[in-house]
Amino acid sequence: DAGVIQSPRHEVTEMGQEVTLRCKPISGHNSLFWYRQTMMRGLELLIYFNNNVPIDDSGMPEDRFSAKMPNASFSTLKIQPSEPRDSAVYFCASRPTGGNNEKLFFGSGTQLSVL
Amino acid sequence: DAKTTQPNSMESNEEEPVHLPCNHSTISGTDYIHWYRQLPSQGPEYVIHGLTSNVNNRMASLAIAEDRKSSTLILHRATLRDAAVYYCIRGGSQGNLIFGKGTKLSVKP
Repeated sequence: DAGVIQSPRHEVTEMGQEVTLRCKPISGHNSLFWYRQTMMRGLELLIYFNNNVPIDDSGMPEDRFSAKMPNASFSTLKIQPSEPRDSAVYFCASRPTGGNNEKLFFGSGTQLSVL
Repeated sequence: DAKTTQPNSMESNEEEPVHLPCNHSTISGTDYIHWYRQLPSQGPEYVIHGLTSNVNNRMASLAIAEDRKSSTLILHRATLRDAAVYYCIRGGSQGNLIFGKGTKLSVKP
């Protein structure tokens, strides 16, 4: 299995532009997580899906952020409009089910720089 | 709120055992204890998890206190490749995993 696949690996954009980050979870996994990592705030959970349904989106910073999971094999995290403070590494992770006794598999992350 | 407490940093010598502590005094009976680590410039990776009994795998051992309010991750022989940030996490009933600041482990040759 190729693992969790994220794209792009790096994204540089200008303030005000729309940014879309993509994630393909491991085949057969039913839970998907989006995390954001910065030096100041560490690794923050943004949103968590189970069976394509958002279960916990309390970590989504504001209305500029939105996440979708149209099917079991694809998710997007969109920022519109982007701001310099959104610069971070964004990780996607998946898990076989929604159970709290299973391990997460992380992607390699997307390094986002907003100028 | 990560609801776990870990030291900010620890040091170890290569080939010696390392004991990484974690406090989770408000843990509920159904919360699993998970450990992940993050090597420089990589995404977090799973290390081990458990509920009540001590657990062993090829990477590490997890010792869970009898009252479950604390746990210790044990690396039996630290190598330079074990230098990373180690996160102790409570797996709640809702299924989400909230990461704290973790412990940065340095390994000296």
